[in-house]
Amino acid sequence: KQEVTQIPAALSVPEGENLVLNCSFTDSAIYNLQWFRQDPGKGLTSLLLIQSSQREQTSGRLNASLDKSSGRSTLYIAASQPGDSATYLCAPEGGKLIFGQGTELSVKP
Amino acid sequence: DAGVIQSPRHEVTEMGQEVTLRCKPISGHNSLFWYRQTMMRGLELLIYFNNNVPIDDSGMPEDRFSAKMPNASFSTLKIQPSEPRDSAVYFCASTLGPTDTQYFGPGTRLTVL
Repeated sequence: KQEVTQIPAALSVPEGENLVLNCSFTDSAIYNLQWFRQDPGKGLTSLLLIQSSQREQTSGRLNASLDKSSGRSTLYIAASQPGDSATYLCAPEGGKLIFGQGTELSVKP
Repeated sequence: DAGVIQSPRHEVTEMGQEVTLRCKPISGHNSLFWYRQTMMRGLELLIYFNNNVPIDDSGMPEDRFSAKMPNASFSTLKIQPSEPRDSAVYFCASTLGPTDTQYFGPGTRLTVL
């Protein structure tokens, strides 16, 4: 059974900092891994999808890496902004998405 | 496209009542997913459809829950009878194919008193 752990559970940083969110999963038999952001009271917004054959994926200030063999993924956010404040969830896909509990990020002006 | 549409956005009902949640996926998407989110259990997949056919309903908690997808543009999740422990936010998501990027609706916040 896939288990997903995200560390840290919460993070507060000043504006402008670069930061890394971590995701680990127990079953490496996955098709892809997806990162989402969720704003309070809203649905999830897809940020990045990394195929199992890929090592990383980039979109703007976001970069996600995937090491399938070790069961790890990281989401790197460069030059953080207050608008980045949200909960970030990772979800490996091995037939269905299994979500971690998320990292709640707060970026202070 | 308007994205995934869910209704109602909020539902408050009393224990024992029937609740029906509705979802309209993005046009052209072939897979539809129902999720439930709670503080205790996080986000859990309840059921998903591919080409209107239920593929995996192993996450449906019990017989009180049922889901249908009569056509490519509409799905329902029904709870009968509802219980206070069903209180949660229910999300619908759709994708082109089952392993593609998932697009989520805004959710339905259900409160069962």
